[in-house]
Amino acid sequence: EMQLLESGGDLVQPGGSLRLSCAASGFTFSSYGMSWVRQAPGKGLEWVSTISGGGGTTYYADSVKGRFTISRDNSKNTLYLQMNSLRAEDTAVYYCARQDFLYPIDHWGQGTLVTVSS
Amino acid sequence: DIVMTQSPDSLAVSLGERATINCKSSQSVLYSSNNKNYLAWYQQKPGQPPKLLIDWASTREFGVPDRFSGSGSGTDFTLTISGLQAEDVAVYYCQQYYSTPYTFGQGTKLEIK
Repeated sequence: EMQLLESGGDLVQPGGSLRLSCAASGFTFSSYGMSWVRQAPGKGLEWVSTISGGGGTTYYADSVKGRFTISRDNSKNTLYLQMNSLRAEDTAVYYCARQDFLYPIDHWGQGTLVTVSS
Repeated sequence: DIVMTQSPDSLAVSLGERATINCKSSQSVLYSSNNKNYLAWYQQKPGQPPKLLIDWASTREFGVPDRFSGSGSGTDFTLTISGLQAEDVAVYYCQQYYSTPYTFGQGTKLEIK
């Protein structure tokens, strides 16, 4: 059975940094692109970033470009999101999702909560 | 960026009746070379992650009940739930995956009347 398990969410001060991880299992991780999608409390879904299966191609939302970095370690079946210069508006549940370029999201993790507050 | 606009924002429908949710994109998401619409519908129940219901505008995912159907092309799309069941109470989102950023609609909250 396919699983995506996020971790790393926490309370962090504005300007701080955090790294999220997503452990994947049940499929050939390196064969698929992966994405991060976030959802602020009580709000809708916002696509954040996507990385190709090999890790060589990445895309970012303008709202996080230059502050967030998506990466992956295919030897560990793990996806990452390094978040720097965090702002209050980055407060959200962050979902790890399986998504190839030009394909829909076909599997979602349960999410991890990031709270940016002093 | 492609802006996705859903209507209505919320909807109350009686059990067994039809629910219709619309999604409009600010530019076409139809790729002419393969005649495919790069449009998906997701269902999100309270406290759960979203779930893919329909992709390519009208292809139902495996295991999704056939009361869910998608239609439309180009810039205008519709999700129809025929014969609403209590378990269909959720927020529904459309998303275009034609180009990054892969934008979502704002969501439509579906409730029982």
